[in-house]
Amino acid sequence: AQKITQTQPGMFVQEKEAVTLDCTYDTSDPSYGLFWYKQPSSGEMIFLIYQGSYDQQNATEGRYSLNFQKARKSANLVISASQLGDSAMYFCAMIPGDSNYQLIWGAGTKLIIKP
Amino acid sequence: SAVISQKPSRDICQRGTSLTIQCQVDSQVTMMFWYRQQPGQSLTLIATANQGSEATYESGFVIDKFPISRPNLTFSTLTVSNMSPEDSSIYLCSVVAVRETQYFGPGTRLLVL
Repeated sequence: AQKITQTQPGMFVQEKEAVTLDCTYDTSDPSYGLFWYKQPSSGEMIFLIYQGSYDQQNATEGRYSLNFQKARKSANLVISASQLGDSAMYFCAMIPGDSNYQLIWGAGTKLIIKP
Repeated sequence: SAVISQKPSRDICQRGTSLTIQCQVDSQVTMMFWYRQQPGQSLTLIATANQGSEATYESGFVIDKFPISRPNLTFSTLTVSNMSPEDSSIYLCSVVAVRETQYFGPGTRLLVL
């Protein structure tokens, strides 16, 4: 079965510290895409970062990086130097190779940055 | 990436009524989707909005309850019909822009009383 698992329902982190949000996935497709989205309390779903299954290097976008460990089927999001504005829900999602763009979503992690 | 707007941003409606949500994209896109996010949940795909043809609905969603229009490649509407309190959710549209990445509109927060 194709599935995304986020085991951290909530996290508290001190401002300026680095944060790692866990995501593991399950698929038998050799080709897939992995995504992280941020959802602030306003409700908007903001795309953060993408990793393709055949990408040789871990994806990075500014303060966001994706720690992609293919053999372990994990795609953890790392946020460096956290800021108060990083407080939000974070969702990991996957597109399996044959999905016709239907995303499979994790349950999300609520991140709260403490001043 | 694409710039997506939705109207209304939020609404409070009475049960039994209908609400139409609009989604406007700043560029032509082929793939456009409608999602529902119930309180405390992740997103559930309602349907794929197809330009010039009927939408493709996911299991558990029917056209009579969630009629969708897609008159062109930049615009779509989702109607939530005969609403009940269980329809209280955030409704989001999304489009595929770059490298299979979906970009989302700001969402419509709906409360049904």
